[in-house]
Amino acid sequence: NAGVMQNPRHLVRRRGQEARLRCSPMKGHSHVYWYRQLPEEGLKFMVYLQKENIIDESGMPKERFSAEFPKEGPSILRIQQVVRGDSAAYFCASSPLWAGQGSEKLFFGSGTQLSVL
Amino acid sequence: KQEVTQIPAALSVPEGENLVLNCSFTDSAIYNLQWFRQDPGKGLTSLLLIQSSQREQTSGRLNASLDKSSGRSTLYIAASQPGDSATYLCAALNNAGNMLTFGGGTRLMVKP
Repeated sequence: NAGVMQNPRHLVRRRGQEARLRCSPMKGHSHVYWYRQLPEEGLKFMVYLQKENIIDESGMPKERFSAEFPKEGPSILRIQQVVRGDSAAYFCASSPLWAGQGSEKLFFGSGTQLSVL
Repeated sequence: KQEVTQIPAALSVPEGENLVLNCSFTDSAIYNLQWFRQDPGKGLTSLLLIQSSQREQTSGRLNASLDKSSGRSTLYIAASQPGDSATYLCAALNNAGNMLTFGGGTRLMVKP
């Protein structure tokens, strides 16, 4: 089992460009979570998805950010018209079942470091 | 809104010492409390998960306790080693089971 795979590891974009971050959950995991770690800040929840469904997007900025987890393929976090304030490490996590089962651990990827010039 | 605080923010100890990392949370309505380790440039590794009905969990040299009523958790590391140097994060899972709220972390340095 290869673990949660995120790519790219590093992504450089100029202001106004689009950023697409990919996350392949662990095999057999159908629950995906995205978190963002801004410089000198803690990890903040962004969105929770199951296959083809957004369950909770309460942590997503209202504009420019979107996420999907299609039936086939990786989960995608998309940031349109990036600004310097979007520079951060974006982490994806997955679990086989709903994390509220009580004992379900989340498995995190190594993250994508987004730098906006 | 859940808030999670970790004290101290940074800690430097000589090898072999036993140490305690503290975590406090404001909302006791949690599903579980998790401790993670984060190494520079890498993702998070899950260390211990304590369900809301449990008081503690142990794994090797690590022991985590949970006191929901007082909103506190501690991570005890016995006989620390240089390889334990990392940032340790605690996180509370909300009742909906959707969202982990993380503390700011404790940066641990264990000197040989």
